[in-house]
Amino acid sequence: SAVISQKPSRDICQRGTSLTIQCQVDSQVTMMFWYRQQPGQSLTLIATANQGSEATYESGFVIDKFPISRPNLTFSTLTVSNMSPEDSSIYLCSVVTGGETQYFGPGTRLLVL
Amino acid sequence: AQSVTQLDSHVSVSEGTPVLLRCNYSSSYSPSLFWYVQHPNKGLQLLLKYTSAATLVKGINGFEAEFKKSETSFHLTKPSAHMSDAAEYFCVVTSGGYQKVTFGTGTKLQVIP
Repeated sequence: SAVISQKPSRDICQRGTSLTIQCQVDSQVTMMFWYRQQPGQSLTLIATANQGSEATYESGFVIDKFPISRPNLTFSTLTVSNMSPEDSSIYLCSVVTGGETQYFGPGTRLLVL
Repeated sequence: AQSVTQLDSHVSVSEGTPVLLRCNYSSSYSPSLFWYVQHPNKGLQLLLKYTSAATLVKGINGFEAEFKKSETSFHLTKPSAHMSDAAEYFCVVTSGGYQKVTFGTGTKLQVIP
Protein backbone atom coordinates (compact mmCIF):
# COMPACT_ATOMS: atom_id res chain seq x y z
CA SER A 1 0.00 0.00 0.00
CA ALA A 2 0.94 3.65 -0.07
CA VAL A 3 0.19 6.52 2.26
CA ILE A 4 -0.17 9.84 0.50
CA SER A 5 -0.32 13.29 2.02
CA GLN A 6 -1.23 16.53 0.33
CA LYS A 7 -0.64 20.13 1.28
CA PRO A 8 -2.59 22.29 1.65
CA SER A 9 -5.71 20.35 2.56
CA ARG A 10 -7.83 23.31 1.52
CA ASP A 11 -7.40 26.90 0.42
CA ILE A 12 -9.38 29.92 -0.64
CA CYS A 13 -7.67 31.96 -3.34
CA GLN A 14 -8.32 35.10 -5.32
CA ARG A 15 -8.77 34.94 -9.06
CA GLY A 16 -5.62 35.57 -11.04
CA THR A 17 -3.33 34.06 -8.43
CA SER A 18 -1.59 30.67 -8.44
CA LEU A 19 -1.54 27.82 -5.95
CA THR A 20 0.99 25.01 -5.69
CA ILE A 21 -0.22 21.72 -4.25
CA GLN A 22 2.28 19.28 -2.83
CA CYS A 23 1.99 15.51 -2.84
CA GLN A 24 4.20 13.32 -0.65
CA VAL A 25 4.23 9.52 -0.73
CA ASP A 26 5.66 7.27 1.97
CA SER A 27 7.38 4.99 -0.54
CA GLN A 28 9.09 5.29 -3.89
CA VAL A 29 6.69 5.04 -6.79
CA THR A 30 7.19 5.49 -10.49
CA MET A 31 3.66 6.30 -11.56
CA MET A 32 1.93 9.36 -10.15
CA PHE A 33 -1.23 11.07 -11.35
CA TRP A 34 -3.06 14.31 -10.71
CA TYR A 35 -6.85 14.38 -10.86
CA ARG A 36 -9.54 17.00 -10.53
CA GLN A 37 -12.94 16.37 -9.01
CA GLN A 38 -15.35 19.21 -9.60
CA PRO A 39 -18.28 19.59 -7.21
CA GLY A 40 -20.67 16.68 -7.47
CA GLN A 41 -18.76 15.08 -10.29
CA SER A 42 -16.44 12.19 -10.94
CA LEU A 43 -12.68 12.34 -11.22
CA THR A 44 -10.98 13.68 -14.32
CA LEU A 45 -7.33 12.92 -14.99
CA ILE A 46 -5.25 16.06 -15.46
CA ALA A 47 -1.85 14.52 -16.12
CA THR A 48 0.47 11.62 -15.51
CA ALA A 49 3.73 12.57 -13.79
CA ASN A 50 6.26 9.78 -14.00
CA GLN A 51 9.67 10.47 -12.55
CA GLY A 52 12.33 11.01 -15.14
CA SER A 53 10.06 12.22 -17.88
CA GLU A 54 7.91 15.20 -18.71
CA ALA A 55 4.35 15.11 -17.46
CA THR A 56 1.78 13.89 -19.95
CA TYR A 57 -1.38 15.99 -20.04
CA GLU A 58 -4.86 14.82 -20.92
CA SER A 59 -6.99 16.53 -23.50
CA GLY A 60 -8.23 19.85 -22.19
CA PHE A 61 -5.34 20.40 -19.78
CA VAL A 62 -2.16 22.30 -20.66
CA ILE A 63 1.19 22.74 -19.01
CA ASP A 64 0.93 26.53 -18.83
CA LYS A 65 -2.19 26.24 -16.70
CA PHE A 66 -1.18 23.18 -14.66
CA PRO A 67 2.61 22.93 -14.46
CA ILE A 68 3.81 19.81 -12.68
CA SER A 69 7.11 18.96 -11.09
CA ARG A 70 8.31 15.46 -10.18
CA PRO A 71 11.78 15.86 -8.70
CA ASN A 72 12.01 12.39 -7.16
CA LEU A 73 10.14 9.15 -6.61
CA THR A 74 8.25 10.31 -3.51
CA PHE A 75 7.20 13.86 -4.29
CA SER A 76 5.32 15.94 -6.84
CA THR A 77 3.72 19.34 -7.13
CA LEU A 78 0.83 20.62 -9.20
CA THR A 79 0.40 24.35 -9.71
CA VAL A 80 -2.94 25.82 -10.67
CA SER A 81 -2.03 29.04 -12.45
CA ASN A 82 -3.95 32.23 -13.07
CA MET A 83 -6.95 30.83 -11.25
CA SER A 84 -10.56 31.54 -12.03
CA PRO A 85 -13.70 30.43 -10.16
CA GLU A 86 -14.01 27.56 -12.64
CA ASP A 87 -10.88 26.07 -11.08
CA SER A 88 -12.70 25.56 -7.79
CA SER A 89 -12.41 21.86 -7.29
CA ILE A 90 -10.81 19.07 -5.33
CA TYR A 91 -7.37 18.18 -6.64
CA LEU A 92 -6.14 14.68 -5.91
CA CYS A 93 -2.75 13.10 -6.15
CA SER A 94 -2.62 9.39 -6.91
CA VAL A 95 0.08 6.75 -7.19
CA VAL A 96 0.30 3.22 -8.51
CA THR A 97 2.33 0.79 -6.47
CA GLY A 98 4.21 -2.29 -7.53
CA GLY A 99 1.09 -4.28 -6.78
CA GLU A 100 -0.66 -2.43 -9.60
CA THR A 101 -3.10 -0.77 -7.27
CA GLN A 102 -3.91 2.92 -7.43
CA TYR A 103 -4.02 4.85 -4.18
CA PHE A 104 -5.29 8.37 -3.67
CA GLY A 105 -4.33 11.22 -1.46
CA PRO A 106 -6.92 12.99 0.70
CA GLY A 107 -7.29 15.81 -1.80
CA THR A 108 -6.87 19.57 -1.76
CA ARG A 109 -10.10 21.51 -1.69
CA LEU A 110 -9.69 24.74 -3.63
CA LEU A 111 -12.15 27.60 -3.73
CA VAL A 112 -11.42 30.49 -6.06
CA LEU A 113 -13.25 33.74 -5.45
CA ALA B 1 -11.72 3.37 -26.88
CA GLN B 2 -12.37 2.80 -23.21
CA SER B 3 -15.39 3.77 -21.18
CA VAL B 4 -17.19 3.05 -17.94
CA THR B 5 -20.92 3.37 -17.37
CA GLN B 6 -22.39 3.35 -13.91
CA LEU B 7 -26.01 2.70 -14.63
CA ASP B 8 -27.47 4.35 -11.54
CA SER B 9 -26.51 7.77 -10.26
CA HIS B 10 -28.41 7.13 -7.00
CA VAL B 11 -29.35 3.91 -5.21
CA SER B 12 -31.42 3.77 -2.06
CA VAL B 13 -31.70 0.65 0.09
CA SER B 14 -32.97 -0.16 3.55
CA GLU B 15 -30.49 -1.17 6.20
CA GLY B 16 -30.02 -4.94 6.21
CA THR B 17 -31.11 -5.42 2.58
CA PRO B 18 -28.82 -6.32 -0.34
CA VAL B 19 -26.86 -3.73 -2.29
CA LEU B 20 -26.32 -3.84 -6.05
CA LEU B 21 -24.34 -1.11 -7.80
CA ARG B 22 -24.04 -1.65 -11.53
CA CYS B 23 -21.04 -1.00 -13.74
CA ASN B 24 -20.51 -1.75 -17.41
CA TYR B 25 -17.28 -1.14 -19.24
CA SER B 26 -15.77 -1.21 -22.66
CA SER B 27 -12.10 -1.63 -23.42
CA SER B 28 -10.01 -2.60 -26.41
CA TYR B 29 -7.54 -4.34 -24.13
CA SER B 30 -7.68 -6.76 -21.25
CA PRO B 31 -8.83 -4.39 -18.54
CA SER B 32 -8.29 -4.19 -14.83
CA LEU B 33 -11.36 -3.09 -12.91
CA PHE B 34 -11.71 -1.44 -9.55
CA TRP B 35 -14.33 -0.18 -7.18
CA TYR B 36 -13.57 2.78 -4.91
CA VAL B 37 -15.68 4.32 -2.18
CA GLN B 38 -15.70 7.98 -1.19
CA HIS B 39 -17.37 9.00 2.04
CA PRO B 40 -18.42 12.64 2.38
CA ASN B 41 -15.40 14.92 2.66
CA LYS B 42 -13.09 11.93 2.67
CA GLY B 43 -10.55 10.51 0.24
CA LEU B 44 -11.05 7.59 -2.12
CA GLN B 45 -10.66 4.15 -0.62
CA LEU B 46 -10.08 1.00 -2.65
CA LEU B 47 -12.83 -1.57 -2.10
CA LEU B 48 -11.67 -4.29 -4.46
CA LYS B 49 -9.93 -4.96 -7.75
CA TYR B 50 -10.01 -7.41 -10.62
CA THR B 51 -6.77 -7.98 -12.51
CA SER B 52 -7.39 -11.13 -14.59
CA ALA B 53 -7.32 -13.64 -11.75
CA ALA B 54 -10.51 -14.99 -10.15
CA THR B 55 -13.64 -13.47 -11.64
CA LEU B 56 -15.38 -13.20 -8.28
CA VAL B 57 -13.50 -10.67 -6.23
CA LYS B 58 -13.98 -10.13 -2.54
CA GLY B 59 -13.20 -6.76 -1.06
CA ILE B 60 -13.33 -4.97 2.24
CA ASN B 61 -16.41 -4.42 4.39
CA GLY B 62 -18.27 -7.39 2.93
CA PHE B 63 -18.38 -6.11 -0.65
CA GLU B 64 -17.72 -8.28 -3.65
CA ALA B 65 -17.88 -7.95 -7.41
CA GLU B 66 -18.04 -10.38 -10.30
CA PHE B 67 -16.23 -9.79 -13.58
CA LYS B 68 -18.42 -11.00 -16.45
CA LYS B 69 -16.58 -10.65 -19.71
CA SER B 70 -19.53 -11.76 -21.84
CA GLU B 71 -21.68 -9.02 -20.33
CA THR B 72 -18.82 -6.51 -19.95
CA SER B 73 -20.00 -5.93 -16.42
CA PHE B 74 -18.41 -5.57 -13.00
CA HIS B 75 -21.31 -5.08 -10.60
CA LEU B 76 -20.68 -4.45 -6.92
CA THR B 77 -22.77 -6.29 -4.34
CA LYS B 78 -23.15 -6.65 -0.61
CA PRO B 79 -25.60 -9.03 1.07
CA SER B 80 -26.67 -6.66 3.83
CA ALA B 81 -26.34 -2.90 3.82
CA HIS B 82 -25.07 -1.04 6.85
CA MET B 83 -25.62 2.62 7.62
CA SER B 84 -21.89 3.18 7.30
CA ASP B 85 -22.06 2.08 3.65
CA ALA B 86 -23.73 5.35 2.69
CA ALA B 87 -21.22 6.97 0.36
CA GLU B 88 -20.39 7.46 -3.28
CA TYR B 89 -18.97 4.53 -5.23
CA PHE B 90 -16.82 4.76 -8.34
CA CYS B 91 -16.14 2.03 -10.87
CA VAL B 92 -12.76 2.40 -12.60
CA VAL B 93 -11.23 0.65 -15.58
CA THR B 94 -7.57 0.70 -16.48
CA SER B 95 -5.66 -0.80 -19.36
CA GLY B 96 -2.12 -0.98 -20.62
CA GLY B 97 -0.70 -0.85 -17.13
CA TYR B 98 -2.42 2.42 -16.20
CA GLN B 99 -1.68 4.02 -19.53
CA LYS B 100 -5.40 4.64 -19.68
CA VAL B 101 -7.53 5.19 -16.56
CA THR B 102 -11.24 5.90 -16.80
CA PHE B 103 -13.56 6.70 -13.90
CA GLY B 104 -17.28 6.13 -13.90
CA THR B 105 -19.57 8.98 -12.98
CA GLY B 106 -20.26 7.55 -9.56
CA THR B 107 -23.25 6.07 -7.71
CA LYS B 108 -24.47 7.62 -4.51
CA LEU B 109 -25.70 4.97 -2.11
CA GLN B 110 -28.27 5.97 0.47
CA VAL B 111 -29.02 3.56 3.32
CA ILE B 112 -32.36 4.07 5.04
CA PRO B 113 -32.66 3.01 8.67
